[in-house]
Amino acid sequence: AQKITQTQPGMFVQEKEAVTLDCTYDTSDQSYGLFWYKQPSSGEMIFLIYQGSYDEQNATEGRYSLNFQKARKSANLVISASQLGDSAMYFCAMREGQYAGGTSYGKLTFGQGTILTVHP
Amino acid sequence: DTGVSQDPRHKITKRGQNVTFRCDPISEHNRLYWYRQTLGQGPEFLTYFQNEAQLEKSRLLSDRFSAERPKGSFSTLEIQRTEQGDSAMYLCASSSKAGVYNEQFFGPGTRLTVL
Repeated sequence: AQKITQTQPGMFVQEKEAVTLDCTYDTSDQSYGLFWYKQPSSGEMIFLIYQGSYDEQNATEGRYSLNFQKARKSANLVISASQLGDSAMYFCAMREGQYAGGTSYGKLTFGQGTILTVHP
Repeated sequence: DTGVSQDPRHKITKRGQNVTFRCDPISEHNRLYWYRQTLGQGPEFLTYFQNEAQLEKSRLLSDRFSAERPKGSFSTLEIQRTEQGDSAMYLCASSSKAGVYNEQFFGPGTRLTVL
């Protein structure tokens, strides 16, 4: 069974500074995908970044980067130059299979989330 | 591309009543997922459709829950004889096999409150 652990219930960061949100995962699969989603107070989940287990380079999307350490089973999200609009809940999630196929059908297993607050 | 839509956004009901939620996925997406999210927790998988076929159901989906996706377009999630423990946000997501990451696009959710 897959499991995602986010150990930081809440994080605070000053505007324009960088922040790292931790995520560790547990799986016996060799092929899997890791996602980060942002959930503002409005409730909608917004896809941020993806890392495949066979990807050799860390994923980057604008101000978001994923620090993927496969041996340690961690996939931390780094947000650079924080903005007030980054204040939200952030979820790490895992999918069995780097590509959405196989018997898992692409369902996601989520962590408990980290609330990020950006101070001006 | 209008995104995933869900209706209603909020539902308040009394214990024992039946409720039905609707999800309209992104039009070209053949995969549709339902998740349940309780306060302060991450979403939990409930069920998955590929086109009109329901291919996987979580054990969280008790006999009181039923989901359909007629004609492979919109989907409905019905809860019969609601209980207070059913109070949660119900999220729908869709994805396309053709996507780069096959990421799931989520709707705004339906918040259910059972009194």
